[in-house]
Amino acid sequence: QSALTQPPSASGSPGQSVTISCTGTSSDVGGYNYISWYQQHPGKAPKLMIYEVSKRPSGVPDRFSGSKSGNTASLTVSGLQAEDEAAYFCSSYGGRYNPYVFGSGTEVTVL
Amino acid sequence: EVQLVESGGGLVQPGGSLRLSCAASGFTFSYYWMNWLRQIPGKGLEWVANMKQDGSEINYEDSVKGRFTISRDNAKSSVFLQMSSLRAEDTALYYCARGGVLHGFDIWGQGTVVTVSS
Repeated sequence: QSALTQPPSASGSPGQSVTISCTGTSSDVGGYNYISWYQQHPGKAPKLMIYEVSKRPSGVPDRFSGSKSGNTASLTVSGLQAEDEAAYFCSSYGGRYNPYVFGSGTEVTVL
Repeated sequence: EVQLVESGGGLVQPGGSLRLSCAASGFTFSYYWMNWLRQIPGKGLEWVANMKQDGSEINYEDSVKGRFTISRDNAKSSVFLQMSSLRAEDTALYYCARGGVLHGFDIWGQGTVVTVSS
């Protein structure tokens, strides 16, 4: 059972926006600003899209943005494109004895 | 090109052992924390273990403590995962990944499959 809760699916039409939530507790998401988001296409390794809540690694389009409020983090994909169709996983630092906790993943479909 | 390449996966019986390897290239390996993570196909990701740049700090996920050992060889730009007392629930695709808390896991290998079955 994943420690962080994500909706199993989300969808949007090309050009629209989709927001994925990631809910944890005060021991992980709410307690630290070390939230990461990963994109995973079928049969491929995960790719880092967001780190430290809202920072984008070099090469990640600015259509991807992250935020956090309380115990819930969010990933927004604006201007949806066909290649954004993938699974998205959130991750949070969970403290010294449970350093990395992941969400169950959200399948994003571009209609 | 920055790259991680895992190897060593395979089919092993319950209670058996396996050693995974991950070879890094394209970056200064000794500068980074290195991690092992795993994923059951169609399921979520699970962090397994990590090791600090100089090996002075090691962490394990609770279910693998006492059974798995992470190590690294900075001279060979490689990280390893020795797995023993393997269980069916250890069956997964195992990834090595660079990074950690501050900047996320920013480089991943392609993964190596471990199947524990009789």
